[in-house]
Amino acid sequence: KQEVTQIPAALSVPEGENLVLNCSFTDSAIYNLQWFRQDPGKGLTSLLLIQSSQREQTSGRLNASLDKSSGRSTLYIAASQPGDSATYLCAIGTNAGKSTFGDGTTLTVKP
Amino acid sequence: ETGVTQTPRHLVMGMTNKKSLKCEQHLGHNAMYWYKQSAKKPLELMFVYNFKEQTENNSVPSRFSPECPNSSHLFLHLHTLQPEDSALYLCASSQEQGDGYTFGSGTRLTVV
Repeated sequence: KQEVTQIPAALSVPEGENLVLNCSFTDSAIYNLQWFRQDPGKGLTSLLLIQSSQREQTSGRLNASLDKSSGRSTLYIAASQPGDSATYLCAIGTNAGKSTFGDGTTLTVKP
Repeated sequence: ETGVTQTPRHLVMGMTNKKSLKCEQHLGHNAMYWYKQSAKKPLELMFVYNFKEQTENNSVPSRFSPECPNSSHLFLHLHTLQPEDSALYLCASSQEQGDGYTFGSGTRLTVV
């Protein structure tokens, strides 16, 4: 059974700082990995999707990496802004469409 | 809006009521999903539909009954719920089963 861990559970940084969020998983036989952000009481917004054959994906100030052999993914956020404050979730997907989600990291970026 | 629309946004119901949650997507996706998000717990997959056919029922109690009349619409019929069923119910879709998800904004359900 796939287990997904996100550490730390919460992170607070000053505006402008570069930061890394971590996602670890126990079963390396994954189909894809997706990073989401969730604002309080809202749905999930997809940030980046990495297929099993890929090593990283980039979108603007975001870069996500995938290392299946070590069971790790990182989400790098450059030049953080207060608007980046949210909970960030990673999801490990199978080709059957079933995903296992982590508990998330709640990020606060202070002005 | 993400392309996946959920209604209603908020719902309060008594334990003897019957209500339905609706999800609609016009992204041309073929797979649709129901997830439950409770406080202090990770998202839990409930049901998966692929081309209108249910392909996954993740041991969900029968008081939750899904319906997928076509690839664009997904319903979750609720009856005789318990207070512990209070949660954020999220609908998602993907191009094909196994592709990345697009989520709706969710329905916040409170059972009293």
